[in-house]
Amino acid sequence: QVQLQESGPGLVKPSETLSLTCSVSDGSIRSYYWSWIRQPPGKGLQWIGYIYNTGRTNYNPSLKSRATISVDTSKNQFSLRLSSVTAADTAVYYCARYLDHYDSSGLRIAYFDHWGQGTLVTVSS
Amino acid sequence: SYVLTQPPSVSVAPGKTARITCGGNNIGTKSVHWYQQKPGQAPVLVIYNDRDRPSGIHERFSGSNSGNTATLTISRVEPGDEADYYCQVWDSSSDHQVFGGGTKVTVL
Repeated sequence: QVQLQESGPGLVKPSETLSLTCSVSDGSIRSYYWSWIRQPPGKGLQWIGYIYNTGRTNYNPSLKSRATISVDTSKNQFSLRLSSVTAADTAVYYCARYLDHYDSSGLRIAYFDHWGQGTLVTVSS
Repeated sequence: SYVLTQPPSVSVAPGKTARITCGGNNIGTKSVHWYQQKPGQAPVLVIYNDRDRPSGIHERFSGSNSGNTATLTISRVEPGDEADYYCQVWDSSSDHQVFGGGTKVTVL
């Protein structure tokens, strides 16, 4: 089955840009949606956004346009950039495969079926 | 934006049944998904589309969804079921994904 692995700096300074990459183990990056989700220490899950291989994206508005997700199908990778970070952005960041389709009745069914192990990013000077 | 409400904690004795609720306005009209997260680990999908189990998930895990409440039921609870559980839906009005606040299940 597909495996996902996050990589990137574990420490970012305030006001700088957080950059993470997720490597997908098989060639399925061309066939699915891909997403980033984060979890502040001791708190719940927060959806950041998703991307399709066409470049179509959708983001959580609470991030106020600071997030950018991109995909590189030649490398089987997708990435997250989060600008102007503050301590509130300290979290474990997960990448995940996102399944999104409509059933026969028109009900949209959208969920995350495979997750990376997560990587802790701390924002501190 | 759409809000999902979960109880912060549920305690259950081994061998008994745990029921974790996820409340939302007319959630019965949405497709609900559930994730299990053990300490220090990534979430794992245990139920999708209200009641479907991914491959490898034990039949002790089941789901239902009606009215304003979706429920994850864990039958014959085992110590290994101790974890945080999150519900998730797609909010049609905002076209965004929403997670519940999570429920910590403690096996007594």
